[in-house]
Amino acid sequence: AQSVAQPEDQVNVAEGNPLTVKCTYSVSGNPYLFWYVQYPNRGLQFLLKYITGDNLVKGSYGFEAEFNKSQTSFHLKKPSALVSDSALYFCAVRDLGGADGLTFGKGTHLIIQP
Amino acid sequence: NAGVTQTPKFRVLKTGQSMTLLCAQDMNHEYMYWYRQDPGMGLRLIHYSVGEGTTAKGEVPDGYNVSRLKKQNFLLGLESAAPSQTSVYFCASSYGGLAGLNEQFFGPGTRLTVL
Repeated sequence: AQSVAQPEDQVNVAEGNPLTVKCTYSVSGNPYLFWYVQYPNRGLQFLLKYITGDNLVKGSYGFEAEFNKSQTSFHLKKPSALVSDSALYFCAVRDLGGADGLTFGKGTHLIIQP
Repeated sequence: NAGVTQTPKFRVLKTGQSMTLLCAQDMNHEYMYWYRQDPGMGLRLIHYSVGEGTTAKGEVPDGYNVSRLKKQNFLLGLESAAPSQTSVYFCASSYGGLAGLNEQFFGPGTRLTVL
């Protein structure tokens, strides 16, 4: 069965600094990986996904993620954080051998301090 | 386009009561999903549907039933609510194909409390 780990419950970053939100995964086959963001009292919004190809994936709002097969990681990054990036971030994996939905991590609260 | 809408937004039930949550999407998506979100646990898949008239179980289906009679609607039912079903419920939809690898669009959620 597939699983996703987000080792940090909360990440604090000063505005203008680079940010990283960590994600590691476990799947039996090829990994298909996603990042979603949730703002307070809202549903989740898609940021980016890795299906195949280039290990560096670019997504919405200036976010990018790097797929590392040897470390089974898919960390979310942004070169310069904005206060408006403060939200709850979820990493998710899709295992083609399982149900058609996504398996989500527990989420990481990202707090950008002015 | 309204996207994905959920009805109701909030609900309080007593143990043993029943209710139905309605999800509607206007994007002509094939796939629809029901998740529950609990603190510190992320989202967990309850049931999903890959097309009108079809449904399948997800990770935590017990205590829930679903129906997809129309392509745009996906209903989640609780026949006899229990306090363990207190949660925030999210509906999502996506295009078909690519083995379910397309972006999912989420509704705003329904906050359910079972006393």
